[in-house]
Amino acid sequence: AQKVTQAQTEISVVEKEDVTLDCVYETRDTTYYLFWYKQPPSGELVFLIRRNSFDEQNEISGRYSWNFQKSTSSFNFTITASQVVDSAVYFCALRSGGGADGLTFGKGTHLIIQP
Amino acid sequence: DTGVSQNPRHKITKRGQNVTFRCDPISEHNRLYWYRQTLGQGPEFLTYFQNEAQLEKSRLLSDRFSAERPKGSFSTLEIQRTEQGDSAMYLCASSLARRPGELFFGEGSRLTVL
Repeated sequence: AQKVTQAQTEISVVEKEDVTLDCVYETRDTTYYLFWYKQPPSGELVFLIRRNSFDEQNEISGRYSWNFQKSTSSFNFTITASQVVDSAVYFCALRSGGGADGLTFGKGTHLIIQP
Repeated sequence: DTGVSQNPRHKITKRGQNVTFRCDPISEHNRLYWYRQTLGQGPEFLTYFQNEAQLEKSRLLSDRFSAERPKGSFSTLEIQRTEQGDSAMYLCASSLARRPGELFFGEGSRLTVL
């Protein structure tokens, strides 16, 4: 069975601070994919990134960066110099590399950026 | 509007009634997904289609739930004999088969069962 754990239910920081959202996953698959999605107050989930299990390189996209570590089964997400517009619920998700196509989502982390 | 469209956006019904939701995916996307989300939880996978074929169903999809995608375009999700536990946001998403997991979500259809 697959499982995604986002232990941080809610994080509140002041604008311009850096913040890291944690994600720990469990799977028996050797090939799998990891994702982050953003759900702003408007409600519509937005895809942010996909990583496959063979690629442990960290990725940076503007103020966003992702740290994938297979040794600790973690896929953490860091926002540098946070902005009020980053306020949202962020979900980490896992997909099997073969066959099953449905994503397993964590419960999400509610990120509040205070001005 | 070229995004994923869902309707109705809100549905209030009495227990025991049937409800149907419709999803219009992004036109060039061949995969269509249904998820359910309750307050404070992440989306839970229900089922997905590739073109008109329903390829996977979650155990969450009881026999009161049925989904169709008759011509490989729009999809419907029907819930028969609704129960209060069915109250949730029903999310539709679409994607390209060559980009698995990169889902484009609609705004959802919120169901309230009284």
